[in-house]
Amino acid sequence: EPEVTQTPSHQVTQMGQEVILRCVPISNHLYFYWYRQILGQKVEFLVSFYNNEISEKSEIFDDQFSVERPDGSNFTLKIRSTKLEDSAMYFCASSAWDTQYFGPGTRLTVL
Amino acid sequence: DQQVKQNSPSLSVQEGRISILNCDYTNSMFDYFLWYKKYPAEGPTFLISISSIKDKNEDGRFTVFLNKSAKHLSLHIVPSQPGDSAVYFCAAGAPSGSARQLTFGSGTQLTVLP
Repeated sequence: EPEVTQTPSHQVTQMGQEVILRCVPISNHLYFYWYRQILGQKVEFLVSFYNNEISEKSEIFDDQFSVERPDGSNFTLKIRSTKLEDSAMYFCASSAWDTQYFGPGTRLTVL
Repeated sequence: DQQVKQNSPSLSVQEGRISILNCDYTNSMFDYFLWYKKYPAEGPTFLISISSIKDKNEDGRFTVFLNKSAKHLSLHIVPSQPGDSAVYFCAAGAPSGSARQLTFGSGTQLTVLP
């Protein structure tokens, strides 16, 4: 069964450093998403992406964040200058239409 | 932001009995609802969904009920199995230009006792 994959599973970085989280969505899906879950809190929407551009973004997705689909298979989330409060699980999801399928997540730890 | 609420943080059920997980929402623009199951250190796994034009959707042991007038949905698992023990999230989506964003509830930890 096709699935969303994410790398790395765990990323540790120093505050102020740039990180890139990678995702490979399900191959025939057209819509791509990033969500995050801070420990003990809800899963929160960050951004959606369709037709090579951002479709929607939340208030969390400020100028420090960017997304890219650099080739036909990868979908990346970049955080330019990480802050302590960016520590969270980051989930990538993809959908053909309404139902979103999630990857296993990347745990980002900012020290 | 409390647009989607799961008021029970935990639920314990005996194996073989019915599990009923509840979810309430406030945004009347939501027209698509999903239930996800999540194990620790894994991503949410899609279980079942329902569109607002329906009031019930069934898939094997899982049934989702939607009461639009009450802005309430529930997930029934019958019979419950120990492997069902996990955190269950409800999520809701509203129509948008292209891709939908989902709003999640806070989750209910289901424990199925053998």
